[in-house]
Amino acid sequence: EDQVTQSPEALRLQEGESSSLNCSYTVSGLRGLFWYRQDPGKGPEFLFTLYSAGEEKEKERLKATLTKKESFLHITAPKPEDSATYLCAGGYGGSQGNLIFGKGTKLSVKP
Amino acid sequence: ETGVTQSPTHLIKTRGQQVTLRCSSQSGHNTVSWYQQALGQGPQFIFQYYREEENGRGNFPPRFSGLQFPNYSSELNVNALELDDSALYLCASSQDRGDSPLHFGNGTRLTVT
Repeated sequence: EDQVTQSPEALRLQEGESSSLNCSYTVSGLRGLFWYRQDPGKGPEFLFTLYSAGEEKEKERLKATLTKKESFLHITAPKPEDSATYLCAGGYGGSQGNLIFGKGTKLSVKP
Repeated sequence: ETGVTQSPTHLIKTRGQQVTLRCSSQSGHNTVSWYQQALGQGPQFIFQYYREEENGRGNFPPRFSGLQFPNYSSELNVNALELDDSALYLCASSQDRGDSPLHFGNGTRLTVT
């Protein structure tokens, strides 16, 4: 069965304390691994797409990496405004809108 | 650039009723997808529309149906509402390119009592 699992479910960091979020996936015919950020009461906001093992992408304090079974979202020196739920999703099948999402990691960054 | 807009933002319905949710795609996007997000869960794929035809569907019963209009706006219809249909319904649009990511609206919060 295709599935995406994220860990931890929740993560509390002090401002400046770097860490990583994990996303493991078993998606047959994966056509892309996606990271989104979701703030309370809002829709998910696109961050990155990764297509092949070894690929890395960066945006400000965030860096996403991909292996054959996992993806990591590294957060370097986080700030309180990085607090959000981070969602990982695997794309599969012929329809590009078809993503399998994990349950997300809720990140809280305290000043 | 206009983003994805959804209406209404909140809705309360009674079990057994029918509901229609609306979505306007982001400018330049011709593909629309709908997702259901229960509290504390990740979004679940309902279906996708391209050129006014459904071209992908998740594990949802036929009482979930949709439409896409020539201006790429879309509707999600749910018949015979059940209590478990209470959720945030998200619309996402994209271009018809394999590398085009989904851009989500802020959703409609549906409560079924």
